[in-house]
Amino acid sequence: RKEVEQDPGPFNVPEGATVAFNCTYSNSASQSFFWYRQDCRKEPKLLMSVYSSGNEDGRFTAQLNRASQYISLLIRDSKLSDSATYLCVVNHNFNKFYFGSGTKLNVKP
Amino acid sequence: DTAVSQTPKYLVTQMGNDKSIKCEQNLGHDTMYWYKQDSKKFLKIMFSYNNKELIINETVPNRFSPKSPDKAHLNLHINSLELGDSAVYFCASSQVLGSGSTEAFFGQGTRLTVV
Repeated sequence: RKEVEQDPGPFNVPEGATVAFNCTYSNSASQSFFWYRQDCRKEPKLLMSVYSSGNEDGRFTAQLNRASQYISLLIRDSKLSDSATYLCVVNHNFNKFYFGSGTKLNVKP
Repeated sequence: DTAVSQTPKYLVTQMGNDKSIKCEQNLGHDTMYWYKQDSKKFLKIMFSYNNKELIINETVPNRFSPKSPDKAHLNLHINSLELGDSAVYFCASSQVLGSGSTEAFFGQGTRLTVV
């Protein structure tokens, strides 16, 4: 079983739409959680950390459900520039990051 | 200022050759990594070093040998390159915290093509 599982998509949405991504992780001892964004032929970059209480950064909202081992990312009012691959990332043992396979988002005009 | 820098950005080489990729971070982090991203875009950890000590070796063939001369540098040497080694290799760094870790910062990647 993979450490982190995500729906690969692609999600094709119009500008202005709200879109949600989910991922599940297998290790209940995981300590830190993140969403990364990766553009084509670029390195992954942190979008936001995910906290147990849930957190919001502008149009982006992340949620963590430790009991269900589930992480979500909500993007409101999608922009063309949001088109990218979104990677769910889980850290445990302090120095081991596990990446999901990524969910591809295409925002269309 | 580039936080994590790796060189070269592109590497095209023939099967059987030996090559190295260098990585440096100026963030003062204590942990560095090598990841491999294959053609299916899946990022898989290869190695993790904490304060120059090898922490993780994820069943990588022993043709791959990381070296960390100090905690700001983690190089990757690959012997006897094979076609299946073609991928993008990312270096990353992070800082261990009491309750987990900071996020990982990535270098721009090295696109290795073995012909």
